[in-house]
Amino acid sequence: DTAVSQTPKYLVTQMGNDKSIKCEQNLGHDTMYWYKQDSKKFLKIMFSYNNKELIINETVPNRFSPKSPDKAHLNLHINSLELGDSAVYFCASSQGYARSYEQYFGPGTRLTVT
Amino acid sequence: GQQVMQIPQYQHVQEGEDFTTYCNSSTTLSNIQWYKQRPGGHPVFLIQLVKSGEVKKQKRLTFQFGEAKKNSSLHITATQTTDVGTYFCAGPSNTGKLIFGQGTTLQVKP
Repeated sequence: DTAVSQTPKYLVTQMGNDKSIKCEQNLGHDTMYWYKQDSKKFLKIMFSYNNKELIINETVPNRFSPKSPDKAHLNLHINSLELGDSAVYFCASSQGYARSYEQYFGPGTRLTVT
Repeated sequence: GQQVMQIPQYQHVQEGEDFTTYCNSSTTLSNIQWYKQRPGGHPVFLIQLVKSGEVKKQKRLTFQFGEAKKNSSLHITATQTTDVGTYFCAGPSNTGKLIFGQGTTLQVKP
């Protein structure tokens, strides 16, 4: 069983479109995250939810909107896609929102905006 | 803001050679985590260090946490082609989020 799953794995779309990425974890974790990894492999946190409550909201354009319908799911909706949004987006989860918990990453969604 | 720096960015070694990546934080860390990302894969947790001066080993991998808890290193003895990937260190900020280093990408020539 996959611990953290994401769909789709690849997403190719045109500028201006709206798209969503879905994430689910079956680990029973309370905290979920969205990370963006750019072409230089730099991993930057975007959002974090703990028990469906938004706890981290980094400096991310408001075209990005996360939604957590329950603590096992965290989706990411992106409006008006831009070329600079092309990246790999990773969902992750951890047991709780504390400094010492390891994070489990999903397989990633490679977004290409043309 | 808080920064976590890693060097080198890239390292090419011959199979059997040793490899080390270094991680430095601008602030004292409560702990440091290491992750490995294989090409085309996702980051996978390797280990966490918590105590000042702590040293932990996993087979050919040796992890160290500095005495001041501001730096860490990962050393791989006698690299193998299976060690290929990008190694990240990550430290928690005072708001709890993990701040990742830029990663060191290791290539191993057979």
